[in-house]
Amino acid sequence: DQQVKQNSPSLSVQEGRISILNCDYTNSMFDYFLWYKKYPAEGPTFLISISSIKDKNEDGRFTVFLNKSAKHLSLHIVPSQPGDSAVYFCAATVRSGNTGKLIFGQGTTLQVKP
Amino acid sequence: DTAVSQTPKYLVTQMGNDKSIKCEQNLGHDTMYWYKQDSKKFLKIMFSYNNKELIINETVPNRFSPKSPDKAHLNLHINSLELGDSAVYFCASSQVGRDEKLFFGSGTQLSVL
Repeated sequence: DQQVKQNSPSLSVQEGRISILNCDYTNSMFDYFLWYKKYPAEGPTFLISISSIKDKNEDGRFTVFLNKSAKHLSLHIVPSQPGDSAVYFCAATVRSGNTGKLIFGQGTTLQVKP
Repeated sequence: DTAVSQTPKYLVTQMGNDKSIKCEQNLGHDTMYWYKQDSKKFLKIMFSYNNKELIINETVPNRFSPKSPDKAHLNLHINSLELGDSAVYFCASSQVGRDEKLFFGSGTQLSVL
C-alpha cells in the first residue's frame, strides 16, 4: 500500500541536458510535496517543495510541477550537472494533520554523465 | 556542528542481541523522527516525538522502543534483534507547524548476522 511511488528506479542523462524525475501518489488528502536528494552514506537533504495550491515552484535549476488531477508531480533539473548525480526521493504529507509525517517514494537514482 | 547527528554509523551484531542508536539535533526543533530504509529502498516512518511525547507509532514491533530524554534527543533501542531488522535507520527532526522540511542524520546501517 505505497501511497507515493517513483516508478523509474534509475535515470541517466548527459551533462547540460534536462533531467525529469517523476512521482505519483494515490492519497488525495496530500497537500504538500517535497523532493529530497541523497548522496551515498549521507542522509537525505531537502531540495524543493510545492504546496497543492500551486502547480509549479522554481528554485534555480530545479523546478517542481504538480498535476493534482493526475496525482502526479515531477522534478525538472536544467541544466543537469555531474554533481546532481544522487538518489532523489519524492515525499508527500497532509499539512493539516500537523504531525510532520512524510510519506516517501522509493527513490530514483540519477546519473549525470560528463 | 552537525545539525542532526546519530551514532553509530555502522552497527554489526548477532541475532538476539539488544542494541541502541542515539540521535541528537541542535536545530531547536520540537519534533524528532525515526525512519527505516528497507531493502526496497522505501523510507518509512517508525516513530515521531514532539517535545518528548510520542506522536506517531507506525505498527512497529514492540521490540523497538524509542526514548526521548529531552526534545533534542531521540534514541532507538532494539531488543532481541532479528535478521529482518537489517536496514538503514535515519533520525530526523523538524519544526512542525512552521514547515514540513525534515532534516536527516546520516543514517545507521544495521546488519544483523
